[in-house]
Amino acid sequence: ETGVTQTPRHLVMGMTNKKSLKCEQHLGHNAMYWYKQSAKKPLELMFVYNFKEQTENNSVPSRFSPECPNSSHLFLHLHTLQPEDSALYLCASSQTSASGGSSSYNEQFFGPGTRLTVL
Amino acid sequence: GIQVEQSPPDLILQEGANSTLRCNFSDSVNNLQWFHQNPWGQLINLFYIPSGTKQNGRLSATTVATERYSLLYISSSQTTDSGVYFCAVSNYGGSQGNLIFGKGTKLSVKP
Repeated sequence: ETGVTQTPRHLVMGMTNKKSLKCEQHLGHNAMYWYKQSAKKPLELMFVYNFKEQTENNSVPSRFSPECPNSSHLFLHLHTLQPEDSALYLCASSQTSASGGSSSYNEQFFGPGTRLTVL
Repeated sequence: GIQVEQSPPDLILQEGANSTLRCNFSDSVNNLQWFHQNPWGQLINLFYIPSGTKQNGRLSATTVATERYSLLYISSSQTTDSGVYFCAVSNYGGSQGNLIFGKGTKLSVKP
């Protein structure tokens, strides 16, 4: 138990469906992340939220829409996905510290992931 | 961007053996983490070690930041150590929130 939970753990959806992934962290952190792990690629960052503000969008297609209502919750809204979007989606959180106008990101802790299959 | 290379890609051990996993990175880093991914996909934090040496039970890690590499040592391996080990880094020059992952070392420990 890392203090980061994700639901659902498994999801099967059609290409025309709309679904959402949920992540919650109980660590008091102020930064949250979405990562994607495909079968043939290394783990790669999708989005970063720091103090509820999106600070990174790693060229992710618009069919993935993140939402961060507060520092403890992060959602990933999915619509009109493609079969190649099937992957393990991992959420992470960390504590950031501000210094000289920039933020320093510390150790990240990951949730158990949502295994998504798009038919 | 920063490149992360892990070696070996695959490793098969007999229970009780020791092993060393290596992570090379192409630029200076301010964050380096080692993870163990279990068969269910969960990434388990092993070490947060941008520099220096740490030990936790049978595991230890050393990062030599000036030479841009980190080593993970597993002693007296057990079957439960099986899985994929990832090294991940971030650096001052890029987006500091972006952990760049290596491709991992897949470890299989045989009884």
